[in-house]
Amino acid sequence: AQKITQTQPGMFVQEKEAVTLDCTYDTSDPSYGLFWYKQPSSGEMIFLIYQGSYDQQNATEGRYSLNFQKARKSANLVISASQLGDSAMYFCAMRVVISSGSARQLTFGSGTQLTVLP
Amino acid sequence: DADVTQTPRNRITKTGKRIMLECSQTKGHDRMYWYRQDPGLGLRLIYYSFDVKDINKGEISDGYSVSRQAQAKFSLSLESAIPNQTALYFCATSEGRSTQYFGPGTRLLVL
Repeated sequence: AQKITQTQPGMFVQEKEAVTLDCTYDTSDPSYGLFWYKQPSSGEMIFLIYQGSYDQQNATEGRYSLNFQKARKSANLVISASQLGDSAMYFCAMRVVISSGSARQLTFGSGTQLTVLP
Repeated sequence: DADVTQTPRNRITKTGKRIMLECSQTKGHDRMYWYRQDPGLGLRLIYYSFDVKDINKGEISDGYSVSRQAQAKFSLSLESAIPNQTALYFCATSEGRSTQYFGPGTRLLVL
């Protein structure tokens, strides 16, 4: 089964502190991609960061970094120096093979609602 | 201007009505997708298209149809809307297998 699991429905963090949002995945495909998206209350989906299954180093984009532990099948998002504007829903997603052929699609976790406290 | 636009942004309709949601992109991407999002759930794929002549069903295509009128346009139709199709609908685009970029979403309420 190809599945993304986010076990934290909600998280709180103090402004300026770091926070880790958990994501575990399950796939039998040796080649896959892992993504994090941010969804603020306005509703749009904003791409944050990408990690390929063959990438040797953990991905980083500004204050975002992805703690990729392949053996544990985890791809946690780390946000450093949290800001009030980071309050949003965060989705982990995996690009997986579609059963009907070689095409790939994104499958999403259920999300984590992050609230940054002043 | 936004790279991926969706119209309308909000829509209220009645059970049994036919409605169309439209998506346009200026990114020049070949692939386009339609997703729906329900409260407490992640996004689920409805349909996807790898080019103008290629349309494929996603995870939850029942009750929906799509049309890829041009490389830049991909529309989603609900032939006979029902209340459990009330959701937030997203269009997305990608170049090949690269990152998918999402439109702003359309909030649909079916009464």
